[in-house]
Amino acid sequence: GAVVSQHPSWVICKSGTSVKIECRSLDFQATTMFWYRQFPKQSLMLMATSNEGSKATYEQGVEKDKFLINHASLTLSTLTVTSAHPEDSSFYICSARRPGEGANYGYTFGSGTRLTVV
Amino acid sequence: GQNIDQPTEMTATEGAIVQINCTYQTSGFNGLFWYQQHAGEAPTFLSYNVLDGLEEKGRFSSFLSRSKGYSYLLLKELQMKDSASYLCAGMDSNYQLIWGAGTKLIIKP
Repeated sequence: GAVVSQHPSWVICKSGTSVKIECRSLDFQATTMFWYRQFPKQSLMLMATSNEGSKATYEQGVEKDKFLINHASLTLSTLTVTSAHPEDSSFYICSARRPGEGANYGYTFGSGTRLTVV
Repeated sequence: GQNIDQPTEMTATEGAIVQINCTYQTSGFNGLFWYQQHAGEAPTFLSYNVLDGLEEKGRFSSFLSRSKGYSYLLLKELQMKDSASYLCAGMDSNYQLIWGAGTKLIIKP
């Protein structure tokens, strides 16, 4: 089945620094990847849609200059949280869409990254 | 606007049956998903419905009524490991997933 690898699983960083999160599709080529953020006891919030070879599409209210997304290949998308602040502490999850998949449209999630900014 | 509604929390007993309801409003409709999410983990796919009716998969079943904008997830023979949040998500005409806030299911012995 489709596998998406995300790392790091958790990271603690100092306020003002940048953190990069990687999302890789291991056994398929993902033309589209999605980045979500989830705060405690809340549902997934789509941050942006990443398309290979083109600029990401950001959801309303998400700062594209703060959350940099790069989808340089069909198997790798990265999310960089720049100048992180404590309010950016959250659970970040990527999802990749496997083309030509069956009824569930091939949405597979990475294992998530717990970011804590101190 | 687009919206997914589901109960915040439910409690059930081990071995029993529980039904988690979801109502949805999406711009266009390309299916309804249910995902399971354990605390601190990413969601895992449970079911997908695009046509009316009941889809059964082992202990879990999912139902869809497109005319009512309604779905439910039915869990039978509940086990302690079923304690998790269950997320309902509708797919709109742009194939974007609209997520509900999730239903936290608590299983008691």
